Amino acid sequence: DGGITQSPKYLFRKEGQNVTLSCEQNLNHDAMYWYRQDPGQGLRLIYYSQIVNDFQKGDIAEGYSVSREKKESFPLTVTSAQKNPTAFYLCASRMTAGTYEQYFGPGTRLTVT
Amino acid sequence: AQKITQTQPGMFVQEKEAVTLDCTYDTSDQSYGLFWYKQPSSGEMIFLIYQGSYDEQNATEGRYSLNFQKARKSANLVISASQLGDSAMYFCAMREPRDPSDLRSSASKIIFGSGTRLSIRP
Repeated sequence: DGGITQSPKYLFRKEGQNVTLSCEQNLNHDAMYWYRQDPGQGLRLIYYSQIVNDFQKGDIAEGYSVSREKKESFPLTVTSAQKNPTAFYLCASRMTAGTYEQYFGPGTRLTVT
Repeated sequence: AQKITQTQPGMFVQEKEAVTLDCTYDTSDQSYGLFWYKQPSSGEMIFLIYQGSYDEQNATEGRYSLNFQKARKSANLVISASQLGDSAMYFCAMREPRDPSDLRSSASKIIFGSGTRLSIRP
């Protein structure tokens, strides 16, 4: 079945370590997105990419980095520069032609202590 | 700047009753779109319904309908005959318009409201 996978579902790291969250989609979607969600709040955009080898900062990109070497993959690295990395991270994708809705993965809950 | 406001942090509704979740938005653009997403306790965001600003009729998808009042800048979600499985967080969202001068803007960023937690009582 087509969809978006994020792994792992739960991730624990020590403060000061970089950590990479994976996002893979087999929907043949062009655009991919990373969001952060804090408890009781909505989603905030970290980075997004419309095509391979191109990506743009969202509203809260500081302390994060991404790459888009393949259409299917859009990994997010949470660096040690991110002051409050503990959060729920959601990846999404979308076709750039036709409809506008984004389809989401199951999310990764990152805890940094 | 565009903004989405959901003023109901939480709602309790009896099973089988209809429920309306409020959403107001602020934009100076003429072309925009509004979404509703459902987030169960598992965390995944589920797309429910979309309304384009130029759509003359209110969008409907099964038990979901979007009450779009353009002059009031509101896009309320109506769920008819609520079910226990409707208990979740609900987010209203708005897509940014395309910028003709920026080819990359067709990625259409979305901004989200803070959400409403809906609880259905048996």
